[in-house]
Amino acid sequence: SQQGEEDPQALSIQEGENATMNCSYKTSINNLQWYRQNSGRGLVHLILIRSNEREKHSGRLRVTLDTSKKSSSLLITASRAADTASYFCATNTGGFKTIFGAGTRLFVKA
Amino acid sequence: NAGVTQTPKFQVLKTGQSMTLQCAQDMNHEYMSWYRQDPGMGLRLIHYSVGAGITDQGEVPNGYNVSRSTTEDFPLRLLSAAPSQTSVYFCASSFSRSGNTIYFGEGSWLTVV
Repeated sequence: SQQGEEDPQALSIQEGENATMNCSYKTSINNLQWYRQNSGRGLVHLILIRSNEREKHSGRLRVTLDTSKKSSSLLITASRAADTASYFCATNTGGFKTIFGAGTRLFVKA
Repeated sequence: NAGVTQTPKFQVLKTGQSMTLQCAQDMNHEYMSWYRQDPGMGLRLIHYSVGAGITDQGEVPNGYNVSRSTTEDFPLRLLSAAPSQTSVYFCASSFSRSGNTIYFGEGSWLTVV
């Protein structure tokens, strides 16, 4: 079974709105990362948050981590049509493996 | 800066055929891995390597072999292709095993008929 599971599976919003995606995981982690995948392309790293951090920002991205609830959220503010993509959370437990969730498909309507 | 390069981009195989997906990185990363991506399943780890000469199994290793003779290259071999191996395959690399940024190739679309 997957370590990280994103919610919702799909999200459709208007340009300019905020988009929030959630990730839940099952075991203690070393860090959690968010990746983006445009259709037909490889994954691109967005942001990494360590287990001792609670919030990180990068441009229009805001990531929170609640280790007590084993969950993380990715907020994209003022979304643009170019943000249309799939977003994946990935968890690392400190070993060799990084496990990815099934992803959230975001569609931003112009 | 090429990053992670995968070949071929597209491949159609007949059941029972074998083939090798090539992967090369030019970032001197010690850690390399192969994932497969299926609809609704996210990415599942097939095999990984923490350095030349060292490989290990991931979540779904059956039907695949890997080797790591150099730091740069990490080929994935399908021994006897099956329709269940129809998928998109991604090679990835990173500096270390402790969750640093993972860099992905552009993917290889494989269809087994």
